[in-house]
Amino acid sequence: EPEVTQTPSHQVTQMGQEVILRCVPISNHLYFYWYRQILGQKVEFLVSFYNNEISEKSEIFDDQFSVERPDGSNFTLKIRSTKLEDSAMYFCASRGAHMEQYFGPGTRLTVT
Amino acid sequence: AQSVTQLDSQVPVFEEAPVELRCNYSSSVSVYLFWYVQYPNQGLQLLLKYLSGSTLVKGINGFEAEFNKSQTSFHLRKPSVHISDTAEYFCAVKGNTPLVFGKGTRLSVIA
Repeated sequence: EPEVTQTPSHQVTQMGQEVILRCVPISNHLYFYWYRQILGQKVEFLVSFYNNEISEKSEIFDDQFSVERPDGSNFTLKIRSTKLEDSAMYFCASRGAHMEQYFGPGTRLTVT
Repeated sequence: AQSVTQLDSQVPVFEEAPVELRCNYSSSVSVYLFWYVQYPNQGLQLLLKYLSGSTLVKGINGFEAEFNKSQTSFHLRKPSVHISDTAEYFCAVKGNTPLVFGKGTRLSVIA
C-alpha cells in the first residue's frame, strides 16, 4: 500500500539555524500539506500546495517558512531561522482526487 | 470557519468493553468529517471518513461513527475494545477552510 514518507525522523538544530524537512507524498496525489503538532497540543495546519504553488497558508506560516517541490517526488518544508517555539512534530500529508488526506510518520524537530 | 470539540481528553476503558469517543463540530457550510488515530511515536492514520450518503460509516479496526447533522456530532464507537486500541484519537472537519483537528482523546484500554 502506498504511503507518505518523511525524513529525517528526528532533527535537532540550534536556534537561528536553517532546517529542511523532507517528504515524499503518495505518487499519484496532487495536493500536499504540512502540519505541526506541538507536544501535548492539537495538530495545526501550516500550508497546502497544489499545482506547484501555495494554495492556502495559516498565520503560523510566516516569512520564516517556505515550501518547495524541487522534483517530481519530494515536497520540502524549510524554516530559515529556527526559534525555540518551532520545536514540534511536523507532519506531511497528501491527497488525491478524494477528500481524505494521508499523513506521514512525522519529523520531530527539536530546537535548542 | 469550522471548529471541532472533543469533549473528553482521556477515556479509560476495560478490555472488551464498548467505547464512545465524542466529537462535536461547528460550521456554517457543509462539511466532511474524519477520525484519525495516532499510536505512540507514530503518525496519523485515517480510521474512517464521512463525505456524504449513509450517516453510519464503518472504518478500520472495527470502529464506526455516526454523522448527526442536527446535533452537529460525529461520535466514534467500538463495541469491544482491545489493548491494541490504546492510542490518541483525533476528530477532524473540512469545510471551506483547511482541515481542522480537535485536541484529541487519549483512549487507554485496561486489561
